[in-house]
Amino acid sequence: TAGITQAPTSQILAAGRSMTLRCTQDMRHNAMYWYRQDLGLGLRLIHYSNTAGTTGKGEVPDGYSVSRANTDDFPLTLASAVPSQTSVYFCASSDSASGNTGELFFGEGSRLTVL
Amino acid sequence: GQNIDQPTEMTATEGAIVQINCTYQTSGFNGLFWYQQHAGEAPTFLSYNVLDGLEEKGRFSSFLSRSKGYSYLLLKELQMKDSASYLCAVMDSNYQLIWGAGTKLIIKP
Repeated sequence: TAGITQAPTSQILAAGRSMTLRCTQDMRHNAMYWYRQDLGLGLRLIHYSNTAGTTGKGEVPDGYSVSRANTDDFPLTLASAVPSQTSVYFCASSDSASGNTGELFFGEGSRLTVL
Repeated sequence: GQNIDQPTEMTATEGAIVQINCTYQTSGFNGLFWYQQHAGEAPTFLSYNVLDGLEEKGRFSSFLSRSKGYSYLLLKELQMKDSASYLCAVMDSNYQLIWGAGTKLIIKP
């Protein structure tokens, strides 16, 4: 079972350039999330989507945008990258039918370096 | 503000027992979670506690005291493969997960 697939695995990006991180899940989960993970900090929620067609802002949404055209895909776009967006990005999904037990399934992560 | 505290790093010996503590202050409470994350990998779910008490799952157990805002993860019969970071997370009143920075556990032979 593939679960959640993220691409690219890693990327070096020049400041000011745009970038889309891709995320696809095959578990038919309603909810999807984008987190960033930085050394010494907990996972921070960037954007989320409770169901296809809806999105919401998390704790650190500035500089990022998302879309949820269908259940499976949840891309994250950086319109104009800045060095502070250097991080490891994790996409995750959860099955809201499980009654908010909160178990998240994570992709393998995308390591982004902005120079 | 909302806050999750856990030790930055712990060291233990193979075959021993280790307890990783987590204290929290959040806006409401809808459950506490522990995740394991090996270096360079994705976090994976370990446990979920919403009621006070101990939940045992094989070599791993998780304890919760809501009145004290406290949880611990207990790992028994430590193996080298248990070397990882352990993330504590609390679901607040808005059903959003608040994450601790994680505890890096180093297992020595």
